[in-house]
Amino acid sequence: DQQVKQNSPSLSVQEGRISILNCDYTNSMFDYFLWYKKYPAEGPTFLISISSIKDKNEDGRFTVFLNKSAKHLSLHIVPSQPGDSAVYFCAASGEFLAGGSYIPTFGRGTSLIVHP
Amino acid sequence: SQTIHQWPATLVQPVGSPLSLECTVEGTSNPNLYWYRQAAGRGLQLLFYSVGIGQISSEVPQNLSASRPQDRQFILSSKKLLLSDSGFYLCAWRPDRVGRAFFGQGTRLTVV
Repeated sequence: DQQVKQNSPSLSVQEGRISILNCDYTNSMFDYFLWYKKYPAEGPTFLISISSIKDKNEDGRFTVFLNKSAKHLSLHIVPSQPGDSAVYFCAASGEFLAGGSYIPTFGRGTSLIVHP
Repeated sequence: SQTIHQWPATLVQPVGSPLSLECTVEGTSNPNLYWYRQAAGRGLQLLFYSVGIGQISSEVPQNLSASRPQDRQFILSSKKLLLSDSGFYLCAWRPDRVGRAFFGQGTRLTVV
């Protein structure tokens, strides 16, 4: 049973436009959320995170929004660039996981393609 | 600065053969260490984690095992590989129990 869901396996966007990647979670006890970016044959790299005490966190072109009542978060990339083409993983963590280890639980990822 | 090394980058192994993947972290002490697997069309599945030397926790029953013989060394092993063990294996570390994880470059394992 997936606790973190990324229901869109892929997303295609034109360069310069906004990319919106969505993520839903099932357990309200998650309190820390992260986005990772992954290129083929490489390990994921951290992009941005948000704590459950906030509803928005911004870092340059990347903004993460958290809607706790809907158990939903989204990553906005504005403007999108061809170099942003990658797989984006949403992850959630909480103290209730694995004996308090706060290990992040990952979604299945969304493949973003930004066309020039 | 901290770095994580994972090798080999690619590996092709026959069914029934043993496996040993190694991961080391530099520039930090007592990291939390993790092994993840990304199977085709699936997300990142946590396999093992370790909070200290000799301390291994398994998240899913499987054909694999892990060991942490030294503070900054994490090894993923199997005595006999199965076809279903194919996938992209990722080692990761965190400096403490909260916060982001840093991933290695991964090992593409193909069992034939």
